[in-house]
Amino acid sequence: KNQVEQSPQSLIILEGKNCTLQCNYTVSPFSNLRWYKQDTGRGPVSLTIMTFSENTKSNGRYTATLDADTKQSSLHITASQLSDSASYICVVSGLSNFGNEKLTFGTGTRLTIIP
Amino acid sequence: ETGVTQTPRHLVMGMTNKKSLKCEQHLGHNAMYWYKQSAKKPLELMFVYNFKEQTENNSVPSRFSPECPNSSHLFLHLHTLQPEDSALYLCASSQDSVAGNRFTEAFFGQGTRLTVV
Repeated sequence: KNQVEQSPQSLIILEGKNCTLQCNYTVSPFSNLRWYKQDTGRGPVSLTIMTFSENTKSNGRYTATLDADTKQSSLHITASQLSDSASYICVVSGLSNFGNEKLTFGTGTRLTIIP
Repeated sequence: ETGVTQTPRHLVMGMTNKKSLKCEQHLGHNAMYWYKQSAKKPLELMFVYNFKEQTENNSVPSRFSPECPNSSHLFLHLHTLQPEDSALYLCASSQDSVAGNRFTEAFFGQGTRLTVV
């Protein structure tokens, strides 16, 4: 069964500090892995997309890593800001029997930045 | 703004009511999706439409009835819902969800927060 597990479930850090969120998956066959940021009461917004051949990808203060061998990904946030408070969702895209992309979502990590 | 607009943002309805959720995308995409997001659960895919045709129905109860009159609009008609249907309903769109396009970047709307009383 395709699954995406994220840890920790929630995290509280001081403004300005760094943090790392984890994602483990069992989706097969693998197409790509995405990280989304979801502010409270809003829809998810894409941060990064990585394919099998990409080990790291950055988007400003966000850096995602992917180890396709161990099926693990991480999202590192540097110099956190209050606006980083949100849920971060790991989404793994696999291929169905018909070749369609199928997205499997993690439950997300709830990040709270405190001043 | 992601280019995907959902209305209403909030909806409270009784179990005997009939209501509809609306989604509109201005991105020229040809695939649209309905997702349900319940507390502490991953997003659950409900329906997929490609070029106005429903291509996926993830065993969704018949009290949820989707409608896609054209590639830009998607509706979710609701009737005789249960309290456990209370959730955030998200609409998304992408350029294509079929083979050959490996990066079907999905853009989500703001969601409709539904409360069934």
